[in-house]
Amino acid sequence: QSALIQPASVSGSRGQSITISCAGTSNDVGSYSLVSWYQLHPGKAPKLVIFEVNKRPSGVSDRFSGSKSGTTASLTISGLQAEDEGNYYCCAYAGSDTYLVFGGGTNLTVL
Amino acid sequence: QVHLVESGGGLVKPGGSLRLSCAGSGFAFSDYYLIWIRQAPGKGLEWVSYISSTSSYTNYADSVQGRFTVSRDNAENSLYLQMDSLRVEDTAVYYCAKAYSSSSVWYFDLWGRGTLVTVSS
Repeated sequence: QSALIQPASVSGSRGQSITISCAGTSNDVGSYSLVSWYQLHPGKAPKLVIFEVNKRPSGVSDRFSGSKSGTTASLTISGLQAEDEGNYYCCAYAGSDTYLVFGGGTNLTVL
Repeated sequence: QVHLVESGGGLVKPGGSLRLSCAGSGFAFSDYYLIWIRQAPGKGLEWVSYISSTSSYTNYADSVQGRFTVSRDNAENSLYLQMDSLRVEDTAVYYCAKAYSSSSVWYFDLWGRGTLVTVSS
């Protein structure tokens, strides 16, 4: 069982918006604004899409946004496109002893 | 072009050893923390080990402490992971990744495509 809890799958139609939740605890998501999100496609290099809860790296579409409320972080993708399909993982800093914890991943299907 | 390329994966018996390599190019390799992250079949991501830019600091997940050793050669733009006393549960795709900035070591903006390590008798 992963430390952060994500839904196993979400789906949405092209053009719609979806939100992926990432439930943590007061030891990780709730204590630090160091939540990041990664997009994984089989056989490809993983891609950072959000860092520090809501910041986008250069080159990432502004359709990707992040937020946090209490111990739950969220990734929202608006205007869904076919290339958004893939697996998304949240990650949070959990203090100097544990360092990083990850979610179990969410498979996004664009209908 | 900016990228990281892992190599060295393969099939090994329990108790065996393997050395993974990660070659970097297109960026100032010696300025950044680097990390190994793995994904077991059907499972989520798990950080394995990281190393500071000058190799002065390393850290390991509890699951690999005492069995794995991370190192780097900045002159060769290379990162390594020596894996000893391998267990079946070490079976995973191993990724190397670069910290987002020289001062931000909690997220990683450049990853390789991974190398598969299979531990099985």
